[in-house]
Amino acid sequence: EIVLTQSPATLSLSPGERATLSCRASQSVSSYLAWYQQKPGQAPRLLIYDASNRATGIPARFSGSGSGTDFTLTISSLEPEDFAVYYCQQRSNWSITFGQGTRLEIK
Amino acid sequence: EVQLVESGGGLVQPGGSLRLSCAASGFTFSSYWMSWVRQAPGKGLEWVANIKQDGSEKYYVDSVKGRFTISRDNAKNSLYLQMNSLRAEDTAVYYCARGCGAVAGPRCFDYWGQGTLVTVSS
Repeated sequence: EIVLTQSPATLSLSPGERATLSCRASQSVSSYLAWYQQKPGQAPRLLIYDASNRATGIPARFSGSGSGTDFTLTISSLEPEDFAVYYCQQRSNWSITFGQGTRLEIK
Repeated sequence: EVQLVESGGGLVQPGGSLRLSCAASGFTFSSYWMSWVRQAPGKGLEWVANIKQDGSEKYYVDSVKGRFTISRDNAKNSLYLQMNSLRAEDTAVYYCARGCGAVAGPRCFDYWGQGTLVTVSS
């Protein structure tokens, strides 16, 4: 099973700042890496798929990069609605795993 | 508008069974891989099972193999999860999710239901 490790566990920033979230895989997942945002009491929302493609309706301030084992989600300028938990997810060999999440909180 | 609506959750005793349903609308259900993903209270996301468009391929996380069965009825635009021999650690919100990508399994999940809570407790 491929393990995804997200860092940091918690990120404290202010609106307008840049956020950089990391996801590291225990072995290569090629570009099969997705990012999700989840707010309390809501279902996750797909942000990025195939490492760098924004999902439908996702603002341009969200971007993804990386391949192989190291991936990054960047939010260029934080809006109040961006404070949430973010998960990465990979697919390989008919198995899917998620990272443990990064909580993005208001400083 | 794509909609996924889960139902069937509730309180069940350890060792018991439950069947979850997911009603899909707003897209061609038979063209997509479908999945179940769960989230224990206060915890992260865990993929549970996938099913191919025609139901011919099914995949499960190791912890539910032999206990859970995913199925679908394309004529009714519905996805199911039969859960047997339930354990306390199966307590979670169960989400129905549509898979991205039509070939070789879902690469991601682009639409999710609101979830249904399953509580396993005596």
